[in-house]
Amino acid sequence: NAGVTQTPKFQVLKTGQSMTLQCAQDMNHEYMSWYRQDPGMGLRLIHYSVGAGITDQGEVPNGYNVSRSTTEDFPLRLLSAAPSQTSVYFCASSRQGAHEQYFGPGTRLTVT
Amino acid sequence: RKEVEQDPGPFNVPEGATVAFNCTYSNSASQSFFWYRQDCRKEPKLLMSVYSSGNEDGRFTAQLNRASQYISLLIRDSKLSDSATYLCVVNRLGSARQLTFGSGTQLTVLP
Repeated sequence: NAGVTQTPKFQVLKTGQSMTLQCAQDMNHEYMSWYRQDPGMGLRLIHYSVGAGITDQGEVPNGYNVSRSTTEDFPLRLLSAAPSQTSVYFCASSRQGAHEQYFGPGTRLTVT
Repeated sequence: RKEVEQDPGPFNVPEGATVAFNCTYSNSASQSFFWYRQDCRKEPKLLMSVYSSGNEDGRFTAQLNRASQYISLLIRDSKLSDSATYLCVVNRLGSARQLTFGSGTQLTVLP
């Protein structure tokens, strides 16, 4: 199993550009989520999904969209990038009823 | 007040030392507690869950004090490989799987 994979690993965007961060898992986990990690602030939940076709907002959803058309994939879209979205983004997944979340390797995004 | 607060770091300790990290959480209804480990520029990984009765995994001991809303992690006989950032994690109110992360405590074990 590859576990949780994320692409790209690094990305530089200009203000106003849009892009999609990809996340996939091959563990058949129902629950998937996106976090951002900024220095001194810990990981903060952006959006999450409890299954295909179901998504909901986390703590910091503004400026981001998600969709969950399959169990495996959970892409995160930045609609119009802003410098405040410079961060490290982690995707995570877990089984139904389990609390351990498995994280992908992260995407380091810089918005100039 | 942050939902999860951790000891300020960094902690620099010699090999073989015992080191303890503390964490407090603000939501008294929280039910699940964890310690995650994050190596530099890597993803977080679960180190251990924290149970009400306290639990031990080799050199690592985790304890929970619900009355004081306090979680601790004790590392005995520190190894160089223990150098990492340790994240205190608590479930969010109303959801078993929405986790709230502390900002982390950095540990460096020195030879």
